Amino acid sequence: DQQVKQNSPSLSVQEGRISILNCDYTNSMFDYFLWYKKYPAEGPTFLISISSIKDKNEDGRFTVFLNKSAKHLSLHIVPSQPGDSAVYFCAASSLQGAQKLVFGQGTRLTINP
Amino acid sequence: KAGVTQTPRYLIKTRGQQVTLSCSPISGHRSVSWYQQTPGQGLQFLFEYFSETQRNKGNFPGRFSGRQFSNSRSEMNVSTLELGDSALYLCASSLSDKETQYFGPGTRLLVL
Repeated sequence: DQQVKQNSPSLSVQEGRISILNCDYTNSMFDYFLWYKKYPAEGPTFLISISSIKDKNEDGRFTVFLNKSAKHLSLHIVPSQPGDSAVYFCAASSLQGAQKLVFGQGTRLTINP
Repeated sequence: KAGVTQTPRYLIKTRGQQVTLSCSPISGHRSVSWYQQTPGQGLQFLFEYFSETQRNKGNFPGRFSGRQFSNSRSEMNVSTLELGDSALYLCASSLSDKETQYFGPGTRLLVL
């Protein structure tokens, strides 16, 4: 039972354009969501997070949107840069298992020059 | 501030052996979590330690165990290794509850 799903295994975007990565979840107990970026042979790097009391959080080029009724979150990167090419994971946790992150399968983002 | 460090970075073992992986969290972080990443199952939570106590455990067999020391450093042990244990093992640390987890580079384990 996959509680966090990233339905797009890959995404290709032109440099300078907006990249939108999507994530859906099924567990209504999740109340904290994070996005991580991962390069090969490295650990995931934290990008941005959002708690369920908000619907938007912004940090520089990265914005995360949360739609609780749809159980959906998205990460917007604008403008996209070649260095953004990586695998992006969305993760969720609940109050009961605060440090137990449940990850999606990841989306490989490729930024084309 | 130094990041999360994991040793060794690469390891080759044979079936039936046991292995111990080590993780040093970011200075001041008291929570350490372990994850397994495989191509088929993705990133899966193994367990989490806080102040030397295991607080959360994922759905892994008892062959997977861990511990945390008083300086917050953590080790995980896998006994009676199986081929399917080949994976990238990631350690993450955080200050405390509901704080962002920061990951180390991982230990890549190959079981032959």
